[in-house]
Amino acid sequence: GAVVSQHPSRVICKSGTSVKIECRSLDFQATTMFWYRQFPKQSLMLMATSNEGSKATYEQGVEKDKFLINHASLTLSTLTVTSAHPEDSSFYICSARQVSSGNEQFFGPGTRLTVL
Amino acid sequence: GENVEQHPSTLSVQEGDSAVIKCTYSDSASNYFPWYKQELGKGPQLIIDIRSNVGEKKDQRIAVTLNKTAKHFSLHITETQPEDSAVYFCAASILVTGGGNKLTFGTGTQLKVEL
Repeated sequence: GAVVSQHPSRVICKSGTSVKIECRSLDFQATTMFWYRQFPKQSLMLMATSNEGSKATYEQGVEKDKFLINHASLTLSTLTVTSAHPEDSSFYICSARQVSSGNEQFFGPGTRLTVL
Repeated sequence: GENVEQHPSTLSVQEGDSAVIKCTYSDSASNYFPWYKQELGKGPQLIIDIRSNVGEKKDQRIAVTLNKTAKHFSLHITETQPEDSAVYFCAASILVTGGGNKLTFGTGTQLKVEL
């Protein structure tokens, strides 16, 4: 099946710094990528939908200036958490949609962000 | 927007028994219903999905049923094994060609299969 990778898998940073998370589709072209946030023992909450070559569409309540998304190619999307604060600590998961597979979303392994 | 409810939140079964997880959705336009298994510290993995033109789908020990009229769908795992222990999420989506096809997730079920 299609494989999606994320890097880094874990990151610890100081409050006020910015952190970039990469999401890559390894063996297929992803026209659409999604970014989710998951707090401990909770469900996945969609943050934004990213289409290659265009601006991301953010869900209500998600600050686009705080969570910068770039989808520069059909295999790479990045999420940058700017000026991170402890409340941004969470598990960030991306998924990629392969149109040829019938619109199924393939999920990455997630990135654990801890802001001190 | 779509709202997906999932029950139970936790489920313990003995090895070899069956497990059933139920979800309801609110948007009658939803036509795609995937189920995901998430192990601790990992991303969700698709285990089975069903589209609205089908009432039931089975893949070895896993089956999903869909009742469009009642707007609910269920995951059935038979002959459970310890490695089935994980958090299971249902989701609903409206598949549109060329569209965003956002998934709305249920709240998750922690399944524990005991020896």
